[in-house]
Amino acid sequence: GAGVSQSPSNKVTEKGKDVELRCDPISGHTALYWYRQSLGQGLEFLIYFQGNSAPDKSGLPSDRFSAERTGGSVSTLTIQRTQQEDSAVYLCASSLNGPGTGELFFGEGSRLTVL
Amino acid sequence: AQKVTQAQTEISVVEKEDVTLDCVYETRDTTYYLFWYKQPPSGELVFLIRRNSFDEQNEISGRYSWNFQKSTSSFNFTITASQVVDSAVYFCALSNDYKLSFGAGTTVTVRA
Repeated sequence: GAGVSQSPSNKVTEKGKDVELRCDPISGHTALYWYRQSLGQGLEFLIYFQGNSAPDKSGLPSDRFSAERTGGSVSTLTIQRTQQEDSAVYLCASSLNGPGTGELFFGEGSRLTVL
Repeated sequence: AQKVTQAQTEISVVEKEDVTLDCVYETRDTTYYLFWYKQPPSGELVFLIRRNSFDEQNEISGRYSWNFQKSTSSFNFTITASQVVDSAVYFCALSNDYKLSFGAGTTVTVRA
């Protein structure tokens, strides 16, 4: 498809397990973002990738969270030893160059539930 | 530091009423960008508008209009003659370069 694709759309896991969330940005978009949206909350910035530059990881809440972007395209967000407070919708977005030059296009999100 | 405040948590209106969503922001940057996004029940955020800090002209797009006032650091959004399909969570956001900071969102419910 032409939009940002995220998988899985829903993930239920047990506390302590690791999870991987995948994001396929729009082709040609150099900027990729991960945000987290907890129930009734706004969007919390997690990490930003831009081309081959070092990512801005300043929003990652703990060292259990990591993300990588391979080949400047697909990105994976990994949460190790999941906790119940990690339950949220994880949103991925991409843009051509960044919000200063255009809009962010969001995927539908991956809903994570940690039991 | 950047901050976006959407003081209204929830707004409920009857169809055809106008509704205005408030957004107040804080930034030390002179160049910045303001956005509004809509999140319908399906969950996917939909871009509505982007304004840069040097363009204070108000904008109208169909039933939507935006009032940007730099003097009060506000970027308010009005839906005229609301419709049921306007029911969604609306987010205001601020960016100086690449990091988009979002407000907590305002849930709008339009009743038939």
